[in-house]
Amino acid sequence: DQQVKQNSPSLSVQEGRISILNCDYTNSMFDYFLWYKKYPAEGPTFLISISSIKDKNEDGRFTVFLNKSAKHLSLHIVPSQPGDSAVYFCAASATGANNLFFGTGTRLTVIP
Amino acid sequence: EAQVTQNPRYLITVTGKKLTVTCSQNMNHEYMSWYRQDPGLGLRQIYYSMNVEVTDKGDVPEGYKVSRKEKRNFPLILESPSPNQTSLYFCASSFSPGSPGELFFGEGSRLTVL
Repeated sequence: DQQVKQNSPSLSVQEGRISILNCDYTNSMFDYFLWYKKYPAEGPTFLISISSIKDKNEDGRFTVFLNKSAKHLSLHIVPSQPGDSAVYFCAASATGANNLFFGTGTRLTVIP
Repeated sequence: EAQVTQNPRYLITVTGKKLTVTCSQNMNHEYMSWYRQDPGLGLRQIYYSMNVEVTDKGDVPEGYKVSRKEKRNFPLILESPSPNQTSLYFCASSFSPGSPGELFFGEGSRLTVL
């Protein structure tokens, strides 16, 4: 059973506009959430994270929002750039757990 | 340069022929883990290790073995590979023994079992 879900397999956005990638989770014990970015033929790389004690975390063009009541998080990229084109994975973990649970990924294409 | 190194990057083998995918990290991380990536299923954990000689099953351990004899190395062993193990494999490591947190991934090993 998929505990972390990314329901949009793909997303296309014009350069300069906002990209919004969504992620839902089912396990209420999750208290730490991460986004990873993956280019072809490379391993995933950490992008940004958020703890459940916050509802927003920002790092440059990237902002992650967490809505605990809805068990939903989103990644905003503003402005989107062609180099942002990649697969984005949402991941979640619970304190004391030894695993990160990953979503199925969303392929973002930023059109120049 | 901090990195996680996997070998081989690409491998085609036949059913039943034992193989090992090596993984090495140079960051002195205690936590290491193996994932497989399959279309529509995301990244699923196979095995993980909290420290030397400490390993445990992840979500999809069937058909795999691991060992952690040294802190830097965490090989993945397929004793008798089958076609359903055709996949893209990633090794990852992390600073935090209590929770994986931010993982550093290798570049991946694409395995095809005929």
